[in-house]
Amino acid sequence: DSGVTQTPKHLITATGQRVTLRCSPRSGDLSVYWYQQSLDQGLQFLIHYYNGEERAKGNILERFSAQQFPDLHSELNLSSLELGDSALYFCASSSPNGGYGYTFGSGTRLTVV
Amino acid sequence: AQSVSQHNHHVILSEAASLELGCNYSYGGTVNLFWYVQYPGQHLQLLLKYFSGDPLVKGIKGFEAEFIKSKFSFNLRKPSVQWSDTAEYFCAVNKKGGGADGLTFGKGTHLIIQP
Repeated sequence: DSGVTQTPKHLITATGQRVTLRCSPRSGDLSVYWYQQSLDQGLQFLIHYYNGEERAKGNILERFSAQQFPDLHSELNLSSLELGDSALYFCASSSPNGGYGYTFGSGTRLTVV
Repeated sequence: AQSVSQHNHHVILSEAASLELGCNYSYGGTVNLFWYVQYPGQHLQLLLKYFSGDPLVKGIKGFEAEFIKSKFSFNLRKPSVQWSDTAEYFCAVNKKGGGADGLTFGKGTHLIIQP
């Protein structure tokens, strides 16, 4: 157990639907990063939140959004899902701001059918 | 923007063979360097990291890596691999001091160890 908790572990949904992925960071970490892992694109940085505020955006589609709550857990919302959104979604936490390393969760495997 | 290049997508070795996985990065400033391993169906686990100091870094499970600044390289090595080392290996970089953009990963190297 890395200390970073992601739920659910697996998700199967239909095209056009909306899903929410959840991440609880390691205790004491203020930063949460979301990554998408697919066979063709590899590991792509999506978005970073620090203590409730968005800090950076990567290759995140407009159909995707995220937020970080006061208790520091984060949610990644994926809407109008397409087949190509099928991937493994990881979150990672760090403190302070990644300068000392990152801890990854087990990921959520999203399958869009 | 930084980028990371891993030289081999697939490597097949026999048990007890020596391993070296190449990693080069591109970035104009100073960086932190990481190697992560992903066993089948599992999350990324940190093997080792380099922030400063001795460029030869020792990690878990007998792995080590050497940072060669002049070559922008951070190659991963293990003198004698085991079947249990079969996994995907990722080299990653971030800006010194962290940086809001998190880690930039290479495409990964799929390592298969044959018994």
